[in-house]
Amino acid sequence: DTEVTQTPKHLVMGMTNKKSLKCEQHMGHRAMYWYKQKAKKPPELMFVYSYEKLSINESVPSRFSPECPNSSLLNLHLHALQPEDSALYLCASSQDRGRGSSGNTIYFGEGSWLTVV
Amino acid sequence: EDQVTQSPEALRLQEGESSSLNCSYTVSGLRGLFWYRQDPGKGPEFLFTLYSAGEEKEKERLKATLTKKESFLHITAPKPEDSATYLCAVQARGGSRTGNQFYFGTGTSLTVIP
Repeated sequence: DTEVTQTPKHLVMGMTNKKSLKCEQHMGHRAMYWYKQKAKKPPELMFVYSYEKLSINESVPSRFSPECPNSSLLNLHLHALQPEDSALYLCASSQDRGRGSSGNTIYFGEGSWLTVV
Repeated sequence: EDQVTQSPEALRLQEGESSSLNCSYTVSGLRGLFWYRQDPGKGPEFLFTLYSAGEEKEKERLKATLTKKESFLHITAPKPEDSATYLCAVQARGGSRTGNQFYFGTGTSLTVIP
């Protein structure tokens, strides 16, 4: 079982709604991620938080707003989404040993299925 | 440009028929190569991390190997429950300040027929 927990598992929202996806990990990891995955495609990186600070934003539209309240929690606030934003949203975490170290394994949650109608 | 390519795109095997999946990469300074298994509608499940050429890791019917240009995921005597998409990802030295950027391949969809 994954140690990264995401809620809700499924979400249907209208284009004028505001909703949030939530993620929690208790592995002591200091880097947390949001990925978006479309059917039969690999995960695409959206945001990276390192030590609770946003370190990477992959030119994601402002209708997606990440938040990292503490080292264990990560939220993704959704507002005014488009139908093409329907996808599986994956939260992930890893240790953060910095550039000089060996690779950091990323552990994924089960994902939140988002449908925008 | 950093790139990860997986082949084949799809693979159908009879139960017990061993085979290999390939992950070729061109990155400027490999920090790690990662294999994941993904079942439909679920998040990727971590399988292996490989750090340097010559390294091998095993788990049940799966064995991952790494050279300077590619990695193989060998599946020995597969069972229907091994059916899934297998994703390869690499982490390169040219990443962000935290070094936490991954490059994913497009995956190999494996179907094992009873």
